[in-house]
Amino acid sequence: EPEVTQTPSHQVTQMGQEVILRCVPISNHLYFYWYRQILGQKVEFLVSFYNNEISEKSEIFDDQFSVERPDGSNFTLKIRSTKLEDSAMYFCASSVGQVAYEQYFGPGTRLTVT
Amino acid sequence: QKEVEQNSGPLSVPEGAIASLNCTYSDRGSQSFFWYRQYSGKSPELIMFIYSNGDKEDGRFTAQLNKASQYVSLLIRDSQPSDSATYLCAVSPPSGGSYIPTFGRGTSLIVHP
Repeated sequence: EPEVTQTPSHQVTQMGQEVILRCVPISNHLYFYWYRQILGQKVEFLVSFYNNEISEKSEIFDDQFSVERPDGSNFTLKIRSTKLEDSAMYFCASSVGQVAYEQYFGPGTRLTVT
Repeated sequence: QKEVEQNSGPLSVPEGAIASLNCTYSDRGSQSFFWYRQYSGKSPELIMFIYSNGDKEDGRFTAQLNKASQYVSLLIRDSQPSDSATYLCAVSPPSGGSYIPTFGRGTSLIVHP
């Protein structure tokens, strides 16, 4: 069964550094998403991406964040100048259409900022 | 602000019992309602979605929706220890047309043998 993959599974970085989280969505999917979940907190939407551009973003997704689809398979989230409060699980998801029940989540990347 | 509220639990039930998980939401314009299961350290997994008032059954799971009361619940019959997880309620779209789900914080369920 096709699945969304994410690398790395765990990333440790120092405050102020830049990190890139990588995702490979399911191959025939058209919509791509990033969510984050701070430990013990709710899953929060960051950004959605369709047709090579951001289709929607939350208040969390400020200038510190950017997304890119550098080739036909990868979807990346870049976090510049990381802060302690960026420590969280980051989930990538993808879907064929834009309805929520079609979203498949990847296993997540645990980001730890020290 | 559009909110989805859940009791954080933990809800502890014996094996074989019915587990009842509840969720309320603030945006009366919401149209789609979802239940996800999340094991510790893992990603959310969609287990049920419901659009219409009433009940929707899928195996041991039943989702119940009452839009007038802005209330959605999940019943798990014949609970098993493997059902022990956090159950996330999500609502979509909120008024304004976004399809992005808004999640609650989840209810931790513990099924003990």
